[in-house]
Amino acid sequence: GAGVSQSPSNKVTEKGKDVELRCDPISGHTALYWYRQSLGQGLEFLIYFQGNSAPDKSGLPSDRFSAERTGGSVSTLTIQRTQQEDSAVYLCASSLAPRGPGNTIYFGEGSWLTVV
Amino acid sequence: KQEVTQIPAALSVPEGENLVLNCSFTDSAIYNLQWFRQDPGKGLTSLLLIQSSQREQTSGRLNASLDKSSGRSTLYIAASQPGDSATYLCAVSPSYSGAGSYQLTFGKGTKLSVIP
Repeated sequence: GAGVSQSPSNKVTEKGKDVELRCDPISGHTALYWYRQSLGQGLEFLIYFQGNSAPDKSGLPSDRFSAERTGGSVSTLTIQRTQQEDSAVYLCASSLAPRGPGNTIYFGEGSWLTVV
Repeated sequence: KQEVTQIPAALSVPEGENLVLNCSFTDSAIYNLQWFRQDPGKGLTSLLLIQSSQREQTSGRLNASLDKSSGRSTLYIAASQPGDSATYLCAVSPSYSGAGSYQLTFGKGTKLSVIP
């Protein structure tokens, strides 16, 4: 596709349920990032993928959060046993490379998660 | 730990006015700085990327400058239009390699309103 695509765009879930958020990056982009934006807060880094590997998972807030990327393309962020504090916009981004020419980062429109 | 501050948090100007948005960062060891625009309910759109070796970048009515040694960047918008109304965020990436090197640190943004 022309841009970074995320689904679902909106998700309301009950506390304690698991959710999966999907990201389809721009074709050919090897670097993929997940960020979280909570109400009134800045963007918070979650995880970075280079190809299928995740050299930097340092931003994942707890072991309830996990992510994978397959085929060097689509990524899934999974939140287990959701809590109300997980309510936020989850933004995916991609770039041609993490460094050097082509490292402009392109964001998707986000998945808006509400835990009730 | 890098901290990014954007002042003011909100700005309202009449249409046609030139304006400057400010971004400051505490650690001058950056790889690059990016300015983004975020419309309500949308993801982030990259506006300008300045590498650490550059002083400024221009795109249309936008001009971004970088003074790495003083930890400051400005985004200049000429002849503002109502369509420029959005939240503008700046983000820096660190200059080191290894763990954490691909994380952008964001400011909380300046919400701009251009009044017709």
